[in-house]
Amino acid sequence: NAGVMQNPRHLVRRRGQEARLRCSPMKGHSHVYWYRQLPEEGLKFMVYLQKENIIDESGMPKERFSAEFPKEGPSILRIQQVVRGDSAAYFCASLPTSGSYNEQFFGPGTRLTVL
Amino acid sequence: GESVGLHLPTLSVQEGDNSIINCAYSNSASDYFIWYKQESGKGPQFIIDIRSNMDKRQGQRVTVLLNKTVKHLSLQIAATQPGDSAVYFCALFRGAQKLVFGQGTRLTINP
Repeated sequence: NAGVMQNPRHLVRRRGQEARLRCSPMKGHSHVYWYRQLPEEGLKFMVYLQKENIIDESGMPKERFSAEFPKEGPSILRIQQVVRGDSAAYFCASLPTSGSYNEQFFGPGTRLTVL
Repeated sequence: GESVGLHLPTLSVQEGDNSIINCAYSNSASDYFIWYKQESGKGPQFIIDIRSNMDKRQGQRVTVLLNKTVKHLSLQIAATQPGDSAVYFCALFRGAQKLVFGQGTRLTINP
């Protein structure tokens, strides 16, 4: 059973460009969480999605950031007009069903560098 | 809101000794308390969790202690090995909601 997959693993963008980060949850998992980790810090929650629904986006910046989890395909975290402060590691995690399992499985992360 | 903090940002121990990593939290309305291990360049890896109605839980070489009176959580690693070198995070989890992570403690093993 493949784990949570994220791609790309490393992404370099210039200021003003768009970054698209992809997350494929574990097979059978329909809940996806995105977290951001700045260097030498803990992970900070961004958004929680189920298939075709955003459940909690309280950690997402109001502008430039969006997330989706379509019926088919991976979850996408999209950052428009990136700035240097967006440089971080972005992790996604998946759960099989809401509240039924207290262990979120994390992907390897995408390290975004904004030049 | 919830917040999680750690007493020390770094911890060095001799190989073979026991390690104790501590964590304080501010909100006790959490169902689970969880410890994660994060190695360089990787995502967090689940180590052990404890329900809020328990005060101790043991795993393989690890023990988690929960003191709800003083809102304190600790992770004990027995007979620390070089492979234990990593950053350790405690986290709170409530229902299906987000994990709230602490700042992390970097554990270094001295040979």
